[in-house]
Amino acid sequence: AQSVTQLGSHVSVSEGALVLLRCNYSSSVPPYLFWYVQYPNQGLQLLLKYTSAATLVKGINGFEAEFKKSETSFHLTKPSAHMSDAAEYFCAVSSPGYKLSFGAGTTVTVRA
Amino acid sequence: IAGITQAPTSQILAAGRRMTLRCTQDMRHNAMYWYRQDLGLGLRLIHYSNTAGTTGKGEVPDGYSVSRANTDDFPLTLASAVPSQTSVYFCASRAGGAYNEQFFGPGTRLTVL
Repeated sequence: AQSVTQLGSHVSVSEGALVLLRCNYSSSVPPYLFWYVQYPNQGLQLLLKYTSAATLVKGINGFEAEFKKSETSFHLTKPSAHMSDAAEYFCAVSSPGYKLSFGAGTTVTVRA
Repeated sequence: IAGITQAPTSQILAAGRRMTLRCTQDMRHNAMYWYRQDLGLGLRLIHYSNTAGTTGKGEVPDGYSVSRANTDDFPLTLASAVPSQTSVYFCASRAGGAYNEQFFGPGTRLTVL
């Protein structure tokens, strides 16, 4: 069965510092992988997705993620955190029947 | 409207009452989904529909039912609400293949007392 594990339920970074959110996946078939962001009291919004076209995927708001098959990972990074990046981030993997399996989420706080 | 709308925004409900959460999309997407979001558990799939007229059970379907009479609407019904169904509920839709992302509505915050 397809699943994802997000390492760390909370991450705190200083404004201007690197943001690194970790996601490892388990999939019996080549996966499609997604990162979503959820701002307070809102629905989820797609940040980026991996669909096998390129291993380094660039998304919105300066985020990017690298697919590493050997490590079964799809970590999300942003070189310089901004206060507006404070949100909850979810990694997801496609599952049979076109469903998504989500990780438990990582909450990012940004310190001034 | 553009995207997905959900109603109501929030609701407080007495245990044992029946409740229908509404979801409408205007993107003509074939697939629609209902999730519940609980702290520390991420999003869990309740029910889904790959096309109008068909539905399927997700990870946590017990106590919930859905229907998909047309492409645009995908209501979620709690026949007899229980406190453990207190959660935030999100509706989502998707077009095309498994590589396409899901689009999410703004959510319904439901409290069952």
